[in-house]
Amino acid sequence: GQNIDQPTEMTATEGAIVQINCTYQTSGFNGLFWYQQHAGEAPTFLSYNVLDGLEEKGRFSSFLSRSKGYSYLLLKELQMKDSASYLCASMDSNYQLIWGAGTKLIIKP
Amino acid sequence: DGGITQSPKYLFRKEGQNVTLSCEQNLNHDAMYWYRQDPGQGLRLIYYSQIVNDFQKGDIAEGYSVSREKKESFPLTVTSAQKNPTAFYLCASSGDRETDTQYFGPGTRLTVL
Repeated sequence: GQNIDQPTEMTATEGAIVQINCTYQTSGFNGLFWYQQHAGEAPTFLSYNVLDGLEEKGRFSSFLSRSKGYSYLLLKELQMKDSASYLCASMDSNYQLIWGAGTKLIIKP
Repeated sequence: DGGITQSPKYLFRKEGQNVTLSCEQNLNHDAMYWYRQDPGQGLRLIYYSQIVNDFQKGDIAEGYSVSREKKESFPLTVTSAQKNPTAFYLCASSGDRETDTQYFGPGTRLTVL
């Protein structure tokens, strides 16, 4: 079956760094997506990885290892507005996104 | 401003009634999608459409119906056959289903009483 695993909840301190992990098992692979979702709002696109390695975009970076079926989202210099859920999704061989349940990130001052 | 709109934000219906959720986009995207989000679960695909007048069932299509008569519009009807319709419904669109990122509308929270 297809499966995406990510931690349910994480807590971090304002100004610190946090890494949110995601492991995936999908039928085929056409890329790994990260989205941010504030409570009651729409998911917003953060990053896309299809090749192994690190993609950096400002305070956010995303890493992919295809051989391990593993990705992480790295958030630096955390701000209170980063409190949100972070959704990991893998695109399978039919170009369908398979979604994890999301990681709720709580930022404390 | 280009974007995706969904209306209404909150919707209440009595059990046994059909209800239609609106989704409109002015991004000139070919592909559109409907997802359902429930607490503690990942988004689940209900239906998707790659082009006007064509649509395909997703993983949980039972009890739902869609139409795609115009490129800009992809309404979702939640029928009385859907056993547990209370959920957060998200519409998304992308330029191409295979190569482009999906962008989401603000969502409609449906509560069936």
